[in-house]
Amino acid sequence: GAVVSQHPSWVICKSGTSVKIECRSLDFQATTMFWYRQFPKQSLMLMATSNEGSKATYEQGVEKDKFLINHASLTLSTLTVTSAHPEDSSFYICSANLAGVNNEQFFGPGTRLTVL
Amino acid sequence: GQQVMQIPQYQHVQEGEDFTTYCNSSTTLSNIQWYKQRPGGHPVFLIQLVKSGEVKKQKRLTFQFGEAKKNSSLHITATQTTDVGTYFCFPGNQGGKLIFGQGTELSVKP
Repeated sequence: GAVVSQHPSWVICKSGTSVKIECRSLDFQATTMFWYRQFPKQSLMLMATSNEGSKATYEQGVEKDKFLINHASLTLSTLTVTSAHPEDSSFYICSANLAGVNNEQFFGPGTRLTVL
Repeated sequence: GQQVMQIPQYQHVQEGEDFTTYCNSSTTLSNIQWYKQRPGGHPVFLIQLVKSGEVKKQKRLTFQFGEAKKNSSLHITATQTTDVGTYFCFPGNQGGKLIFGQGTELSVKP
């Protein structure tokens, strides 16, 4: 199957700093990638849809100025959590799907963010 | 809007017992996918169901899609400790929305 990587796998930062998370499709091109947030014992919540070459589409309740998404190439999308606060601590996961493969989502390994 | 309900939220079983999780949608689905997420890991695709009444098997796992394509189930026969994790149903890309079920966390006592 297709491989999606994420970097870093975990990060600890101080409150008020910004953190960038990278999502890469390693062996395929992804015009669309998805960013999720998952709190402990909860389901994945879609935050935004990242579109290559255009603005991301954010879900209701997700602040676009706080969660900056850049999809500059067909293999890379980045999520920047700006001015992070402890309540932003979560597991962030990206996914992408291969065109024509029945919408199967290939997930990155996730990034665990802890804001002190 | 579309809603997907998954039950139960948690299931604790003795190794060797069976396990079932159910996914119910308020609208008719074009397809449904199932994913497994191990503790600390990321979701991994298990299967996709497309046809009304479809039943698919993967070793001890049996997946069903309802006749009305509004519900689905995942049944594990004779659970093993390797089955531990959270199972999510996922109705795929429905009008641009990606909505996962709430997930069923399975724990297996050896």
